[in-house]
Amino acid sequence: DTGVSQDPRHKITKRGQNVTFRCDPISEHNRLYWYRQTLGQGPEFLTYFQNEAQLEKSRLLSDRFSAERPKGSFSTLEIQRTEQGDSAMYLCASGLAHYEQYFGPGTRLTVT
Amino acid sequence: AQSVTQPDIHITVSEGASLELRCNYSYGATPYLFWYVQSPGQGLQLLLKYFSGDTLVQGIKGFEAEFKRSQSSFNLRKPSVHWSDAAEYFCAVGAQEYGNKLVFGAGTILRVKS
Repeated sequence: DTGVSQDPRHKITKRGQNVTFRCDPISEHNRLYWYRQTLGQGPEFLTYFQNEAQLEKSRLLSDRFSAERPKGSFSTLEIQRTEQGDSAMYLCASGLAHYEQYFGPGTRLTVT
Repeated sequence: AQSVTQPDIHITVSEGASLELRCNYSYGATPYLFWYVQSPGQGLQLLLKYFSGDTLVQGIKGFEAEFKRSQSSFNLRKPSVHWSDAAEYFCAVGAQEYGNKLVFGAGTILRVKS
């Protein structure tokens, strides 16, 4: 069991640029989740995939954010036209059983 | 609205002392309950979970938690804290009526003094 991996671990970008993050879930897990965590807060849900289908999106996920999970394996989260308010830790989690989620190490995004 | 409350932002305990971290939630039915631990700059590690059955659940690293329906609480405990337990702890709740997500509390930072 290699765990959930995320790439990159850190990303510094300038305001207005696009960024893309990748998540590789635990191989047998069909459920995949994205969360965002800001300093001093718990993670906030962004979106959920079951296999390749995106079944739920938070209202936090503005139209600048898009997520995909082609073929039901890895997932990508893209942020277009980044803003300083997008600076946060982006966490990916995967699971088999409903609600039971295993998290990756996260991608720390800093928008300057 | 759904909410998960961790009343203590910071807790400091001496190494070897017992620990209790509080978590209260506001949901109608019995939710799915979790505790996670996060070290600085890292992801979250699942400590334990409660779905149904015995209300006292055991987790990894010597942690346990007790579900009390009457108090809508799921407090985390450890009988003897080690310096390596210093981290941030998050309570999380899943409930069918709120979709597929987990809702997290704001976290409690645990400091351990020697």
